[in-house]
Amino acid sequence: DAGVIQSPRHEVTEMGQEVTLRCKPISGHNSLFWYRQTMMRGLELLIYFNNNVPIDDSGMPEDRFSAKMPNASFSTLKIQPSEPRDSAVYFCASWIAGGPHEQYFGPGTRLTVT
Amino acid sequence: QKEVEQDPGPLSVPEGAIVSLNCTYSNSAFQYFMWYRQYSRKGPELLMYTYSSGNKEDGRFTAQVDKSSKYISLFIRDSQPSDSATYLCAMSPYSGGGADGLTFGKGTHLIIQP
Repeated sequence: DAGVIQSPRHEVTEMGQEVTLRCKPISGHNSLFWYRQTMMRGLELLIYFNNNVPIDDSGMPEDRFSAKMPNASFSTLKIQPSEPRDSAVYFCASWIAGGPHEQYFGPGTRLTVT
Repeated sequence: QKEVEQDPGPLSVPEGAIVSLNCTYSNSAFQYFMWYRQYSRKGPELLMYTYSSGNKEDGRFTAQVDKSSKYISLFIRDSQPSDSATYLCAMSPYSGGGADGLTFGKGTHLIIQP
């Protein structure tokens, strides 16, 4: 299995631009999580989906952030407009119901907003 | 006060030493405790997990949970340079099989000196 796939791996953009991060979970996994990691705040949960349905988005920092999961094999996290304080590493993780309790993380997208 | 507190380090020890990593937490609803290891510029990987209080051993690694003190520990015996990484504790309420987003500590940066 290829594991969780994220793209792009690196993104550099200017303030005010729209940014879209993409995630492909492990095939057969039915839960998907978006996390953000910074030096100041560590790894924080932004939103998660069960069976493509958003369950908890209380971690989404502002209305500028939105996430979708149109099908079981694809999810996007969008920031519009982006700001320098959004600079972070964004991780996607997936999990299978009834399986071991490990959430499998992707390699992350390193976002820099200038 | 954050829900999960973890000393960021860095913690530097000589090869072969016993390493002790710790987290404290404030949410008494947490029942499921995990340790993730994260190498530089990689996603976190699950190292160990325990449910409720007690000890769990896996090779050179031992995880301990003391719910009465809201304190968890990870011990690494015979530490190796390859153990150099950031170790993150993570927690969630037990949801009876459903997936929950995890609450992470900020991570402790561990350096094993050859």
